[in-house]
Amino acid sequence: VVMTQSPATLSVSPGERATVSCRASQSISSNLAWYQQKPGQAPRLLIYGASTRATAIPTRFSGSGSGTEFTLTISSLQSEDFAVYYCQHSASWPATFGQGTKVEI
Amino acid sequence: EVQLLGSGGGLEQPGGSLRLSCAASGFTLSSFAMTWVRQAPGKGLECISTIGAGVSGTLYADSVKGRFTISRDISKSTLFLQMNTLRAEDTAIYYCAKGHSSGWFLFDYWGQGMLVTVSS
Repeated sequence: VVMTQSPATLSVSPGERATVSCRASQSISSNLAWYQQKPGQAPRLLIYGASTRATAIPTRFSGSGSGTEFTLTISSLQSEDFAVYYCQHSASWPATFGQGTKVEI
Repeated sequence: EVQLLGSGGGLEQPGGSLRLSCAASGFTLSSFAMTWVRQAPGKGLECISTIGAGVSGTLYADSVKGRFTISRDISKSTLFLQMNTLRAEDTAIYYCAKGHSSGWFLFDYWGQGMLVTVSS
């Protein structure tokens, strides 16, 4: 399964809404996760099952979609949210990632 | 508290071998799937090998199949990745990642990452 994210880079001001899209090359039902990665750090699980927030993830992060089209929304960007975001299909091996979306100021 | 502490990265020549270790604490290693994920410099994430929970088997990406071996020592609560016949394209940061209770390929905890450089 090929995962394609858009856009590659998203320029947003603090307090604004950010939306990242992810498309799967075939249906993956709701087996979609989102990760956040900051420079020099390991990725962090944000969302799984397309819309379930992982432990301790703020409510400003939300996910939606099913089948082949998915969206990550950050409702009001905080300074600590500027990072690279990856989608990943989690249903089967190999569990491929999208190429990443950099959310920048 | 779940912690994953990796070790064993470094510089190796093409054709050489390295073994990565990932010491796990705060959970029972045999109860969860564990995966090695790598990230080439400035690039995205690639799952390269998974070992299932319990007596489940192992999985490998085509890019490493036949060269890399994943294993674990339950008594030491440690995950390993034996990397043989290294190539320049294996240069990357290698992360160990714990499988979530909801799925083998959801990664809820990650190690700090180990840089492996393959170069002559």
